[in-house]
Amino acid sequence: EADIYQTPRYLVIGTGKKITLECSQTMGHDKMYWYQQDPGMELHLIHYSYGVNSTEKGDLSSESTVSRIRTEHFPLTLESARPSHTSQYLCASSELETDYNSPLHFGNGTRLTVT
Amino acid sequence: AQSVTQLGSHVSVSEGALVLLRCNYSSSVPPYLFWYVQYPNQGLQLLLKYTTGATLVKGINGFEAEFKKSETSFHLTKPSAHMSDAAEYFCAVSDRGGADGLTFGKGTHLIIQP
Repeated sequence: EADIYQTPRYLVIGTGKKITLECSQTMGHDKMYWYQQDPGMELHLIHYSYGVNSTEKGDLSSESTVSRIRTEHFPLTLESARPSHTSQYLCASSELETDYNSPLHFGNGTRLTVT
Repeated sequence: AQSVTQLGSHVSVSEGALVLLRCNYSSSVPPYLFWYVQYPNQGLQLLLKYTTGATLVKGINGFEAEFKKSETSFHLTKPSAHMSDAAEYFCAVSDRGGADGLTFGKGTHLIIQP
């Protein structure tokens, strides 16, 4: 049973629309992440956060933005969606490392299609 | 920079046969190594991890992996495949611990033939 929740699971939207992908976790984890996943490709980290009011860009450049106002909530926003944004977006969380091996807990993902 | 290579984007085995999924990495420092599994329409789930200590690591669902420093490998095995093992498997490496330092491979799709 997932302790990290993503909504919506599927989203089809037209070009130019603003969208927000929601991610919430109930584990009290400080660190949260957004990954982009395309078929046959590596997962790419696009954003992460160490805690409230902390946000960092990941390895893959993204036009999306994130916010972290509450520990449990880490939404991702696209101000103007484009077909190139079509992908699966995975949210994850982890504890602050105590011994450098804290695993990621993933949500079930949001599959975004921009037409 | 670290990198992960998973040999074979698709691996097909018969039910009851040995499962072997290959992972090689490059890292300039002793790595932390992970295998994650992704079932259809779900997020990734940790199978097992190597940080320090014993090089043979046992995970969930009967999977295990062996860290071989000389070969820079962390291959995943299971003695007897089950239909429920059909999924996508991702190898990942971190050179500084912590999930934000993770580099994932491209994944291997495991197909189980009845």
